[in-house]
Amino acid sequence: EIVLTQSPATLSLSPGERATLSCRASQSVSTYLAWYQQKPGQAPRLLIYDASKRATGIPVRFRGSGSGTDFTLTISSLEPEDFAVYYCQQRSNFGQGTRLEIK
Amino acid sequence: QVQLVQSGVEVKKPGASVKVSCKASGYTFTTYGISWVRQAPGQGLEWLGWIRPHNGNTDYAQYLQGRVTMTTDTSTSTAYMELRSLRSDDTAVYYCARSLTTYDHWGQGTLVTVSS
Repeated sequence: EIVLTQSPATLSLSPGERATLSCRASQSVSTYLAWYQQKPGQAPRLLIYDASKRATGIPVRFRGSGSGTDFTLTISSLEPEDFAVYYCQQRSNFGQGTRLEIK
Repeated sequence: QVQLVQSGVEVKKPGASVKVSCKASGYTFTTYGISWVRQAPGQGLEWLGWIRPHNGNTDYAQYLQGRVTMTTDTSTSTAYMELRSLRSDDTAVYYCARSLTTYDHWGQGTLVTVSS
């Protein structure tokens, strides 16, 4: 089973700042990695698939990168609505999440 | 537009069963899988299993083997997830999601509470 480890667990930033979230896989997953955003009381929303492709309607400030075992989700300039929990996913495996909170 | 609409809140006693439905619309039901994911209060996402409506093939999380059954009704584009022998740690929001290798559309979630 592939284990996905996200870091940091919590990230405290201000609107306008750049956010960098990490996801590390226990073995290579090529580029088969996705990122999701979840706000309180809502279902997760697909942001990025195949490591770097933005899903339909996702703003360009969200960028995914990486391959193999190391992946990054970058939010270039945080908007108030971006503060949420972010999960990486590969097939049936999810990371434990990174909480992005307002500083 | 693609929509997945799930059934409502369930409250069950330990040892009982629950069956959650997920009605799909806006796409050809048999061309995508349906996965089920749950989220315990304050916790992360946990994959339960997957069904391919085209042929009924399933793949279940090993820790649930024997307690879960996923089915579909292609005539109504509805997927079902039944969980038996419920325990208190099955309390969670249960989501269905359209899936191939990613989960691109999700249902709104169904809260299942297991309590005596």
